[in-house]
Amino acid sequence: AQSVTQLDSQVPVFEEAPVELRCNYSSSVSVYLFWYVQYPNQGLQLLLKYLSGSTLVKGINGFEAEFNKSQTSFHLRKPSVHISDTAEYFCAVSEKYGNKLVFGAGTILRVKS
Amino acid sequence: DAGVIQSPRHEVTEMGQEVTLRCKPISGHDYLFWYRQTMMRGLELLIYFNNNVPIDDSGMPEDRFSAKMPNASFSTLKIQPSEPRDSAVYFCASSLGGGAYTGELFFGEGSRLTVL
Repeated sequence: AQSVTQLDSQVPVFEEAPVELRCNYSSSVSVYLFWYVQYPNQGLQLLLKYLSGSTLVKGINGFEAEFNKSQTSFHLRKPSVHISDTAEYFCAVSEKYGNKLVFGAGTILRVKS
Repeated sequence: DAGVIQSPRHEVTEMGQEVTLRCKPISGHDYLFWYRQTMMRGLELLIYFNNNVPIDDSGMPEDRFSAKMPNASFSTLKIQPSEPRDSAVYFCASSLGGGAYTGELFFGEGSRLTVL
């Protein structure tokens, strides 16, 4: 079975500063990895995904993530955040060719002016 | 295009009452998922369907919960009888074929359930 650990429950950051949201996963098989974003009172939206190939994945809104197999990590980064990036971010994993998506507990990103 | 549509958006009910949550997936999607989100447990997969057939209901917490998908454009999640610990936001999500394998789920806005 897969599991996901998001190491920070909340990350406060000033506008235009860089940010990294950390995610570690555990699995005995090959996996796909994802980041989703949830804005207040909305459903989740896919931000980016890693299926195979290049370990650096670029997503929407200027976010990117790097898959590190040896460290079983998939950290999310953005070089300069905006107020509008304030949201909750979820890391997720699924078994390769599986249907179940297992989500982490989420990290609330608070961007301050 | 319309996204995943859930109703009601908010439901407040009393313990012991029956609750029915509804979902209309994106047209053409063949996978449908029900998730529950709580502060304590995060996002949990309850059940998912493929081509209207339940594939895995191992996440359904107990017999009080049931889900159906009578056709490709409609699914329900029913709780009978409801209990205060069922209070949560329930999300429906759908995906198209390979989307299920690659995690491209499209979520509805959720149904916030409060059981008093």
